[in-house]
Amino acid sequence: GQSLEQPSEVTAVEGAIVQINCTYQTSGFYGLSWYQQHDGGAPTFLSYNGLDGLEETGRFSSFLSRSDSYGYLLLQELQMKDSASYFCAVSGYNFNKFYFGSGTKLNVKP
Amino acid sequence: GAVVSQHPSRVICKSGTSVKIECRSLDFQATTMFWYRQFPKQSLMLMATSNEGSKATYEQGVEKDKFLINHASLTLSTLTVTSAHPEDSSFYICSARGSMPNVNEQFFGPGTRLTVL
Repeated sequence: GQSLEQPSEVTAVEGAIVQINCTYQTSGFYGLSWYQQHDGGAPTFLSYNGLDGLEETGRFSSFLSRSDSYGYLLLQELQMKDSASYFCAVSGYNFNKFYFGSGTKLNVKP
Repeated sequence: GAVVSQHPSRVICKSGTSVKIECRSLDFQATTMFWYRQFPKQSLMLMATSNEGSKATYEQGVEKDKFLINHASLTLSTLTVTSAHPEDSSFYICSARGSMPNVNEQFFGPGTRLTVL
């Protein structure tokens, strides 16, 4: 089976940096993705790591360590609009399956 | 970016009726679509993987006779909740997997809120 763990909630102030961790246990691992979901909305793709290391996309960066079954999403220069839930997801064989973590609710305060 | 629509956005039905939800990729061909279920403030639970022209692959614990999935074309997948009961009330979201080389990316529809009375 699959198991992904994330912190349930994180609070930070505007302009700060926040890191959301994700540890996973899965078979047939292909990669780790991150999605953002605002309340009542659809998830939107943020980042993907297929190989170990850091991927940077603007204010967002994501990291993967396959040997540690661990990854994180780093959000810099936090803005109020970043308040949302963030999900890590593992890709199964040939990207025919995606399993999501429990989600981390990020609260950005002024 | 790729756009996925879902219809209806909200449906209320009586117990025992069937409800069909449509998921369409509007500007690209999606050979693979996914159906998820999400309870309030919880994660997305994968229900099934839908491949165009073949039978859907259901996750363990998901009743294939209750949640009928059809993926008849490269732009349309449907989920039919048969004989719906109050415990089927949930937020159902579809997604379409990106085309090469972006097969690691999913594009989500806006979701369908199902309430069974």
